[in-house]
Amino acid sequence: TQLLEQSPQFLSIQEGENLTVYCNSSSVFSSLQWYRQEPGEGPVLLVTVVTGGEVKKLKRLTFQFGDARKDSSLHITAAQPGDTGLYLCAGDADKIIFGKGTRLHILP
Amino acid sequence: DAGVIQSPRHEVTEMGQEVTLRCKPISGHDYLFWYRQTMMRGLELLIYFNNNVPIDDSGMPEDRFSAKMPNASFSTLKIQPSEPRDSAVYFCASSRQGADTGELFFGEGSRLTVL
Repeated sequence: TQLLEQSPQFLSIQEGENLTVYCNSSSVFSSLQWYRQEPGEGPVLLVTVVTGGEVKKLKRLTFQFGDARKDSSLHITAAQPGDTGLYLCAGDADKIIFGKGTRLHILP
Repeated sequence: DAGVIQSPRHEVTEMGQEVTLRCKPISGHDYLFWYRQTMMRGLELLIYFNNNVPIDDSGMPEDRFSAKMPNASFSTLKIQPSEPRDSAVYFCASSRQGADTGELFFGEGSRLTVL
């Protein structure tokens, strides 16, 4: 059974601080996606990473795929209240699985 | 373009009743997924279809759950009989390619409460 473990489960920080959340597995994935979900809505794709070691930037968000394609991280610089939400990673080996997510709350 | 449309948004029912959740995928998407989300278990894949054909239903919890996709623009997830442990948010998602390379577009979900 492939599992994607996300850490931390919950994170509450002040506006302007930096943070990193993690997505780890013992399995190798051909690609990995990060989604953000807001209350009452479905998840929305932020980025897909495909190549081991790949780094992608989306404004203040930096995504990295591990060299072995088993893990990924999401770094947010100067967090803002609008970044609040549930961040989910999703990977595919033979079918898509999601981690349980990191619930992020940015305090103004 | 309209996104994935799910109905109902909220349903409260009593144990033993039949529940039918509906989904209209994005036009032109050939993959459709049903997920269930709870705090304890996160987002779980129940079943997915490719070109209206069920490909993998190994995530369907038990025989009380069934899903159909009679055409490219409509799918249903049925629970009969429902039980309190089925309470969750059920999401439908569609994709133009296999989800490993393509973006999953999610509906807003159907929040089910079984009393």
